[in-house]
Amino acid sequence: EVQLLESGGGLVQPGGSLRLSCGVSGFTFGSDAMTWVRQAPGKGLEWVASIDESGSYRHYADSVKGRFSISRDNSRDTLSLQMHSLRVEDTAFYYCVKGGIGRAPGIDPWGQGTLVTVSS
Amino acid sequence: QSILTQPPSVSAAPGQKVSISCSGSSSNIGIKYVSWYQKLPGTAPRLLIYGDNKRPSGIPDRFSGSKSGTSATLEITGLQTGDEADYYCGAWDITLSDGVYGAGVFGGGTRVTVL
Repeated sequence: EVQLLESGGGLVQPGGSLRLSCGVSGFTFGSDAMTWVRQAPGKGLEWVASIDESGSYRHYADSVKGRFSISRDNSRDTLSLQMHSLRVEDTAFYYCVKGGIGRAPGIDPWGQGTLVTVSS
Repeated sequence: QSILTQPPSVSAAPGQKVSISCSGSSSNIGIKYVSWYQKLPGTAPRLLIYGDNKRPSGIPDRFSGSKSGTSATLEITGLQTGDEADYYCGAWDITLSDGVYGAGVFGGGTRVTVL
């Protein structure tokens, strides 16, 4: 069974940094693209970033470009999202998802999510 | 404002059918696969449709997807109370931004209400 488990969420002040991690099991991590998606309270889903299988190609939403960095360690089956210069509007549940949204299989499954709260 | 446009809400009685539209453009839906996701309160989203019209194992055939040109549609037949949820379409957009081609996009979401 494919499982994804996010960690690293919490309360941080505006301008601060946070690093999210996603540990996976049940599939060959290095054979799949990976994606981060977030959902702010009362809002819709927002695609945040994606990375290809090797880590060579990374894409970001305009809202996080230059502040967030997605990375992966295929030897440790771990996906990460480094977040800097956090803003109140970055408050959201952050989901780690297997796959790339533009690819035929879609993105699935999703982790349970980790809550990031940016507040003073 | 989302790049993919969905109606905010649709509703129907139990057993009836609802259709949810997702309108995009030639830089996303027109040339890339569409997928659909169901989001229930307090749970992680789940994939309903991928590759425009394919169902993952375990998804009932009451859920179906289609695409024509730059628009896609999710249909739910035999509506059940358990189908009350938010539904999102997703795709890849190839527009160039800051020197990089491509970004994922979701529709704004459609709330399905079973009357």
